[in-house]
Amino acid sequence: EIVMTQSPATLSVSPGERATLSCRASQSVRNNLAWYQKKPGQAPRLLIYSVSTRGTGIPARVSGSGSGTDFTLTISSLQSEDFAVYYCQQYNSWPLTFGQGTKVEIK
Amino acid sequence: EVQLVESGGGLVQPGGSLRLSCAASGFMFNNYWMGWVRQAPGKGLEWVANIKEDGSDKYYMDSVKGRFTISRDNAKNSLYLQMSSLRAEDTAVYYCARDQWRIFDYWGQGTLVTVSS
Repeated sequence: EIVMTQSPATLSVSPGERATLSCRASQSVRNNLAWYQKKPGQAPRLLIYSVSTRGTGIPARVSGSGSGTDFTLTISSLQSEDFAVYYCQQYNSWPLTFGQGTKVEIK
Repeated sequence: EVQLVESGGGLVQPGGSLRLSCAASGFMFNNYWMGWVRQAPGKGLEWVANIKEDGSDKYYMDSVKGRFTISRDNAKNSLYLQMSSLRAEDTAVYYCARDQWRIFDYWGQGTLVTVSS
């Protein structure tokens, strides 16, 4: 099983600032990496797939990068709607696995 | 518009059974893999099971193998999760999700399963 490790657990950021989230895989997942946003009481939302391709309706301030085992989600100029928990997910092999999440909170 | 609506959650005793359903609309259901993902209270997302378009292939997380069964009825545009021998650690919100090459691109709002005596 591929273990996904996200850091930090919590990120405190002021509105308008940049948020940088990390995700590390225990072995290479090639480019089979997705990011999701989760808010309390809401369904998860696909943000990024294939490391850097934005999902439908995702704004350009959200971007992804990385390869192999190390990946980054960047949200430039945080808006109020961006404060949430973010999860990475590898889909290179079964079982599909998620990271434990990074909570982005208002500083 | 893609819509996924889960139902069937509730309170069940340890060792009991429950069947979750997911009604899909707004897309060609029989052209997509589908999956279930859960989130225990205060925890992260956890993949549970996926099923191929025609139901011929299924994958499960280790801790539910032999206890949970994923199935689908393409004529009814519906996905199911039959859960048996339920444990306290199965308590979670269960989400139905559309699988696009193992990426979950659309999700339902979830249904809560509570396993407690």
